[in-house]
Amino acid sequence: KQEVTQIPAALSVPEGENLVLNCSFTDSAIYNLQWFRQDPGKGLTSLLLIQSSQREQTSGRLNASLDKSSGRSTLYIAASQPGDSATYLCAVLHNTGKLIFGQGTTLQVKP
Amino acid sequence: GAGVSQSPSNKVTEKGKDVELRCDPISGHTALYWYRQSLGQGLEFLIYFQGNSAPDKSGLPSDRFSAERTGGSVSTLTIQRTQQEDSAVYLCASSLVPEAGTSEQYFGPGTRLTVT
Repeated sequence: KQEVTQIPAALSVPEGENLVLNCSFTDSAIYNLQWFRQDPGKGLTSLLLIQSSQREQTSGRLNASLDKSSGRSTLYIAASQPGDSATYLCAVLHNTGKLIFGQGTTLQVKP
Repeated sequence: GAGVSQSPSNKVTEKGKDVELRCDPISGHTALYWYRQSLGQGLEFLIYFQGNSAPDKSGLPSDRFSAERTGGSVSTLTIQRTQQEDSAVYLCASSLVPEAGTSEQYFGPGTRLTVT
């Protein structure tokens, strides 16, 4: 059974810091991995999608890496801003079409 | 273009009542998914529709839950005889291409269901 774990569960950093969010999964037979952002009371916003054949994806200050063989992904946020404060969710796409989610990392960036 | 929309955004219902939640996927998307987000459980898969294929209902928690997708577009999730443990945010997502390996799922804003 696929399980997705995110560490840490919560993170508080001062503005301007670079930070790394971690995601691990138990079954390497995935199609892709997505990182999402969720603001309180809102839906999910897709940040980055990495296909299983890819190693990383970049969008602005965000960089996501994928090491499928070791079952790990990281989301790197450069020069964090207060507007980055949100919950970040990692999800792997199972071969059945289902997304399996981690519990999320709640990030607070202090001005 | 328009994203995934869901209605209502909030629903408060009494225990034992039936509720219907609606999802309008992005136009042209062939796949539609329902997920549930509840405190302590995180985000969990409920059901998946792909084109004209039989839906994958493996995530539905009980037979009180059902969903249909009419005309390959709009979907309705129905919960019968609601219980307090059904209180959660119900999220709908859709994706464009049939092949699971390349499809990015786009999420709606969710319906917050509260069962009193």
